[in-house]
Amino acid sequence: QVQLVESGGGVVQPGGSLRLSCVASGFYFNYYGLHWVRQAPGKGLEWVAFIHFDARDQYYADFVKGRFTISRDNSRDTVYLQMNSLTTEDTAVYYCAKDGVHSSSSVTYFHFWGLGTLVSVSS
Amino acid sequence: YELTQPLSVSVAPGQTANITCEGNNIGSKSVHWYQQKPGRAPVLVIYRDTNRPSGIPERFSGSNSGNTAALTITRAQAGDEADYYCQLWDSITARVFGGGTKLTVL
Repeated sequence: QVQLVESGGGVVQPGGSLRLSCVASGFYFNYYGLHWVRQAPGKGLEWVAFIHFDARDQYYADFVKGRFTISRDNSRDTVYLQMNSLTTEDTAVYYCAKDGVHSSSSVTYFHFWGLGTLVSVSS
Repeated sequence: YELTQPLSVSVAPGQTANITCEGNNIGSKSVHWYQQKPGRAPVLVIYRDTNRPSGIPERFSGSNSGNTAALTITRAQAGDEADYYCQLWDSITARVFGGGTKLTVL
């Protein structure tokens, strides 16, 4: 079955950096785009970033452009989110999600989700 | 592109719940729905307006026309209590999720 396991969350000071990882299994990783979606405490879902199945393109939400970078290593079935210049507003559970369509060139839907990893930005 | 959902919907056990998602000409877009229970990751319950993923009960259905998409849950159960989010992809605004609706079964 499809599994997505996030790691790398933790407590970081404002202005700091973190790198999140998501290891996938149970599907052919190279054929699917991957997303990061976050949820601040008590708030709704917020899409963060998407990377094409072959990494040829990435899309970002406006609030993370220039600060976050999504990447993937198809040899390790892993997607990453490098987060720099963190602020308290980035405090959230960060979910990794598999896109719904094989070899899609754009965002479609989030077919499977990981359990999430908590990022807390605090001084 | 704005997606508007009611903050809360209440339904009696065994009755039908309708959760709406409003947007300008949303019927021309593909809408998806997620269920999220407290402390859990979201689960896809409807994709491409009307399709149910494997394992989702037939009690869950979707529709999309004009300016309103809707998730319908028939024969509501206590276990359906959750937050529900609509989602689409608007490439211009990168707008993805509605604000979410809390479903209460009482």
